[in-house]
Amino acid sequence: DIQMTQSPSTLSASVGDRVTITCRASQSISRWLAWCQQKPGKAPKLLIYKASSLASGVPSRFSGSGSGTEFTLTISSLQPDDFATYYCQQYNSYSWTFGQGTKVDIK
Amino acid sequence: EVQLVESGGGLVQPGGSLRLSCAASGFTFNNYNMNWVRQAPGKGLEWVSYISSGSSTIYYADSVKGRFTISRDNAKNSLYLQMNSLRAEDTAVYYCAREGEAVADYWGQGTLVTVSS
Repeated sequence: DIQMTQSPSTLSASVGDRVTITCRASQSISRWLAWCQQKPGKAPKLLIYKASSLASGVPSRFSGSGSGTEFTLTISSLQPDDFATYYCQQYNSYSWTFGQGTKVDIK
Repeated sequence: EVQLVESGGGLVQPGGSLRLSCAASGFTFNNYNMNWVRQAPGKGLEWVSYISSGSSTIYYADSVKGRFTISRDNAKNSLYLQMNSLRAEDTAVYYCAREGEAVADYWGQGTLVTVSS
């Protein structure tokens, strides 16, 4: 099975900061990587698919990059609504596998 | 507007059974593959099961294989998860998720399953 490892597990940042989260796959997954955002008590929401494609309605301050085994999610200027937990997800093979999550909280 | 509404969760004793349902609306249900994903309290996301649009292909996570059964009724725009031989480690919020662009592009609000005596 493909394992996904995110770093850091927790990130403290301020409004306006540039934030970068990394996700590493245990083997190459080409560009079959997605990012989602989850707020407490809510369902996850898709942000990025195919490593760098922005999902519908997602603000342009979110961007994704990478291929193979290393990927990043960047928030160019952190907004109050962005404090949440972020998960990467691979879909190169069935099953889906998620990273353990990165919690972005207020510094 | 795409909507996925889960139901059927609750408290069940170890070894018991439960059937979850997911009612879909706002899109052509029979055009989409569907999945169940769960999240244990305070933990991350774990994929559980997949069913193709026409039910011809089904996959399960090793952790539920042989105990859970996924199905769908395209005439009723509904997805199901029959869960048998439940264990404490199955305690989680269960989400149904539509597959779009090969990922979970829409999620339901989830239904809580608690396995405890």
